[in-house]
Amino acid sequence: DAKTTQPPSMDCAEGRAANLPCNHSTISGNEYVYWYRQIHSQGPQYIIHGLKNNETNEMASLIITEDRKSSTLILPHATLRDTAVYYCIVLYNQGGKLIFGQGTELSVKP
Amino acid sequence: SQTIHQWPATLVQPVGSPLSLECTVEGTSNPNLYWYRQAAGRGLQLLFYSVGIGQISSEVPQNLSASRPQDRQFILSSKKLLLSDSGFYLCAGGGALGTGELFFGEGSRLTVL
Repeated sequence: DAKTTQPPSMDCAEGRAANLPCNHSTISGNEYVYWYRQIHSQGPQYIIHGLKNNETNEMASLIITEDRKSSTLILPHATLRDTAVYYCIVLYNQGGKLIFGQGTELSVKP
Repeated sequence: SQTIHQWPATLVQPVGSPLSLECTVEGTSNPNLYWYRQAAGRGLQLLFYSVGIGQISSEVPQNLSASRPQDRQFILSSKKLLLSDSGFYLCAGGGALGTGELFFGEGSRLTVL
């Protein structure tokens, strides 16, 4: 079973910030949170990952709560090309399993 | 940087025929490797994962098998395909547990007729 929970879909206006939430209440201390996105019929694309500190790169920011039970991916200025399914993944330390949830389908609209 | 090569990109096979999808990794050694399937719409189902040569873990009972004959080679196989095996198959690889970026191949679309 996936250990993350995400809303199935979200809309965002072009140029506005998209804030995608993820719950991972059973995350353990050494597990990282990864975010990927998948545009239709392509392989998933890495966006960002973090352990406990907030992270920022050229694509997005990742905000992880202090208790690490949830996180938010922020796309600061969403464009139409950001329309995709966004996956929040917890990478396990034991056994190497990498489990995807159902993701959030983000639709960026003009 | 790490890259995943996966082939073939597209495959149409009759029911009952065998299957072999191959995945190779460049740019890293001893990666964790994964096979996923995406049957319809979104949602990637983990099929197999491997933490080393000859070490395969199966996540779901199915008509498929996986092998890792070399450190950077991961193969998905079937002796007899079923209609329900149709889907989009993705190979993924990562570095040390808990760290590092995860890399995906471009996927193989299998249609079983």
